Amino acid sequence: QVQLVQSGAEVKKPGASVKVSCKASGYTFTSYGISWVRQAPGQGLEWMGWISAYNGNTNYAQKLQGRVTMTTDTSTSTAYMELRSLRSDDTAVYYCATGRSWFDPWGQGTLVTVSS
Amino acid sequence: NFMLTQPHSVSESPGKTVTISCTRSSGSIASNYVQWYQQRPGSAPTTVIYEDNQRPSGVPDRFSGSIDSSSNSASLTISGLKTEDEADYYCQSYDSSNRGVFGGGTKLTVL
Repeated sequence: QVQLVQSGAEVKKPGASVKVSCKASGYTFTSYGISWVRQAPGQGLEWMGWISAYNGNTNYAQKLQGRVTMTTDTSTSTAYMELRSLRSDDTAVYYCATGRSWFDPWGQGTLVTVSS
Repeated sequence: NFMLTQPHSVSESPGKTVTISCTRSSGSIASNYVQWYQQRPGSAPTTVIYEDNQRPSGVPDRFSGSIDSSSNSASLTISGLKTEDEADYYCQSYDSSNRGVFGGGTKLTVL
């Protein structure tokens, strides 16, 4: 079955960067893109962006442009999301999910805590 | 860009039917498909409706989706409510640049 497994929780200081991985299995990785969604504590879902696993094309949320980079490694069927210049309001659970216009399935989530 | 507005919370009794709305602020609700996700505490979201009214395999037919152009809104209806349906529900669509847009979420209480 299609499964996405994400890397473990991270604690970062303000101004640092974080890179979250998302390993896919159960399907041909290059057939679908990977979207990233985050959820701040007690808050709703926020779309961050999408990357094509076929050709690497990306589409980022305007508010994150310049701070986020999404990449893929087709040799390991893994997608990555790097967020730079971290702030306290970047503290959230970060999810990857298969798909571009709708998202299914989702990874288990990665908690990123930004604290001095 | 547009926003999707959902009620903050709804509640209903087991066995009853509940409808959660999702209103698009600008542009036609019919322009882009609407999806609905269920999120239980501590878990990742799962899809209950995609492409306005399609149910993924494994989702019971108690869940249904629709759109209404007159109110420019989408709706998720859950019939025969069960206590296990208690969760947060999010609607989602995308704009003309294929950027995702989520509603603020609705907390469903089954009491």
